[in-house]
Amino acid sequence: AQSVTQLDSHVSVSEGTPVLLRCNYSSSYSPSLFWYVQHPNKGLQLLLKYTSAATLVKGINGFEAEFKKSETSFHLTKPSAHMSDAAEYFCVVTTGTASKLTFGTGTRLQVTL
Amino acid sequence: GAGVSQSPSNKVTEKGKDVELRCDPISGHTALYWYRQSLGQGLEFLIYFQGNSAPDKSGLPSDRFSAERTGGSVSTLTIQRTQQEDSAVYLCASSPYRPDTDTQYFGPGTRLTVL
Repeated sequence: AQSVTQLDSHVSVSEGTPVLLRCNYSSSYSPSLFWYVQHPNKGLQLLLKYTSAATLVKGINGFEAEFKKSETSFHLTKPSAHMSDAAEYFCVVTTGTASKLTFGTGTRLQVTL
Repeated sequence: GAGVSQSPSNKVTEKGKDVELRCDPISGHTALYWYRQSLGQGLEFLIYFQGNSAPDKSGLPSDRFSAERTGGSVSTLTIQRTQQEDSAVYLCASSPYRPDTDTQYFGPGTRLTVL
């Protein structure tokens, strides 16, 4: 079984300040973890993924995430938010025995001036 | 190259009618997936194809839902006797082969509204 919990449904930050979107996972096997972003009325876009290589994963647009097995976490961070980062972010898990992605409930990121 | 395409982008139908949603995956991708995104349920997996076979149909919500894939390419999701609770955005994704490690590339979705 696999599941993912996004701890915040909504996060608001000021432009230029750090972003932290939290994600915890549960998996019976070694997981693969992903962060996807969905801008309003747009499709889902992959930000980054972890598939058992380096635990610190760098993605597009300055985002990165660190896989911490001991904490079962895969939090998404960015040093400095930009207005264009405002979107819905989904943490996603899958395993070698699964044929599907399991999505978290999403975190809506708001960026203010 | 071209991404995943879906048609139609929007579909409005009356309760009880049948609808067909189409997905064109990225060329060469053997794996294809359907998901549903709705306000109450979030993003849910529906079905996974590997080639023309569907080894995992566990997410299809009822026997009104069916899907097929032909030629290892285009897929059609059919909903019979639509109900209002079927209203959602239906997303298609494809990946090169492996569901567990390969990146899934998503299409823009079909927004289905059942009146």
